[in-house]
Amino acid sequence: DVKLLESGGGLVQPGGSLRLSCAASGFTFNNFDMSWVRQAPGKGLEWVSTVSFNGDSIVYADSVKGRFTISRDNSKNTLYLQMNSLRADDTALYYCAKDSAAATRAFEYWGQGALVTVSS
Amino acid sequence: QTVVTQEPSFSVSPGGTVTLTCGLNSGSVSTNHLPSWYQQTPGQAPRMLIYLTNGRPSGVPDRFSGSILGDRAALTITGAQADDESDYYCVLYMDYGIKAFGGGTKLTVL
Repeated sequence: DVKLLESGGGLVQPGGSLRLSCAASGFTFNNFDMSWVRQAPGKGLEWVSTVSFNGDSIVYADSVKGRFTISRDNSKNTLYLQMNSLRADDTALYYCAKDSAAATRAFEYWGQGALVTVSS
Repeated sequence: QTVVTQEPSFSVSPGGTVTLTCGLNSGSVSTNHLPSWYQQTPGQAPRMLIYLTNGRPSGVPDRFSGSILGDRAALTITGAQADDESDYYCVLYMDYGIKAFGGGTKLTVL
């Protein structure tokens, strides 16, 4: 079974930093693109970033560009999201998602999320 | 700025058929946008229902189907059931690898 387990969420002050991790299992991690998607409390889903299977191609939403960095360690089957210069509107549940086959650009499997709260 | 649009809410009677749509504030949705659809119930992670406009992953009931209707992507639920009451989101693949979610549709079955 595919499993995605996020960790690293918590309470951070505005301007602070946090790093999320997503431990993946049940599939060949280095064959698939991976993404982060977030959901602010009571709001809809927002795509944050995607990294290609080998880490060579990375795309960010404008809302996080220059502040967030996505990366992956294929030797550890782990996806990361380094979040800097955090703002109150970054408060959200952050989901790790496994993309389906490259041509489909869809989010096939999702973790249960890590909650990030930015507040003083 | 490109915005992906969805009906904020919709209701359907049990056993009925409903079509939710996914559009763009400027331009038409086509298969080139690789539309996908997701279902989210309260407190749960989203679940993929449809990929590549009309592909259905294994395990998704065939009462869920996807299509392009006019200038929009569409998700049709045929024979709605009580546990279909959820939020539904579409995603479109835009230029330069950007993926954009619609605002979601809250579906009520009553």
